[in-house]
Amino acid sequence: EVQLVESGGGLVKPGGSLRLSCAASGFTFSAYSMNWVRQAPGKRLEWVAGISGVSTYIYYADSLRGRFTISRDNAKSSLYLQMDSLRVEDTAVYFCARAWPADLWGQGTQVTVSS
Amino acid sequence: EIVLTQSPDFQSVTPKEKVTITCRASQNIGSVLHWYQQKPGQSPKLLIKYASESISGVPSRFSGSGSGTDFTLTINSLEAEDAAVYYCHQSNSLPYTFGQGTQLEIK
Repeated sequence: EVQLVESGGGLVKPGGSLRLSCAASGFTFSAYSMNWVRQAPGKRLEWVAGISGVSTYIYYADSLRGRFTISRDNAKSSLYLQMDSLRVEDTAVYFCARAWPADLWGQGTQVTVSS
Repeated sequence: EIVLTQSPDFQSVTPKEKVTITCRASQNIGSVLHWYQQKPGQSPKLLIKYASESISGVPSRFSGSGSGTDFTLTINSLEAEDAAVYYCHQSNSLPYTFGQGTQLEIK
């Protein structure tokens, strides 16, 4: 089955770190660019970061560069998002999404930053 | 950053009505504009890509048009299952951005 499954979300204190994972299956993972998109409660979707198929190109939303790091392991068909120095405003559901336009999305993982 | 502004923010419609949602970009983005549907508790689903290209498996009542800065999503003969939030999205230039969403309520 073609799918993306995120994991790694949870509750973390401000200033803390989390590493999100996205496991892909059912397609040739290395052939696709991948992205992280987040959605804060009641807010619009927000693109976070993207990475090309073999990690040649990596892009971040300007407001997140320096705190978040996107990476991938094609041998494991997995996408990652390392999130450091987390802030309350990073609270959101984080989705991984395949390519642009994103034709495949995971179910999302909740990240809550709160003291 | 390209800002996408959708209208309306909310619309309440009856089944079988025709619905039109617009999306205006702050800069010319050609046809690199896509539409998504998101139902409560679910991830977004791609409905239309590159302004007017249909997506396999998406009902034919969904269609898109426009180019440059003004785009439209049309839903013909609305069905109850179409209750959702609809987002436009541009991947013409970084940072990729989304509209604020249009919530569609079925009466």
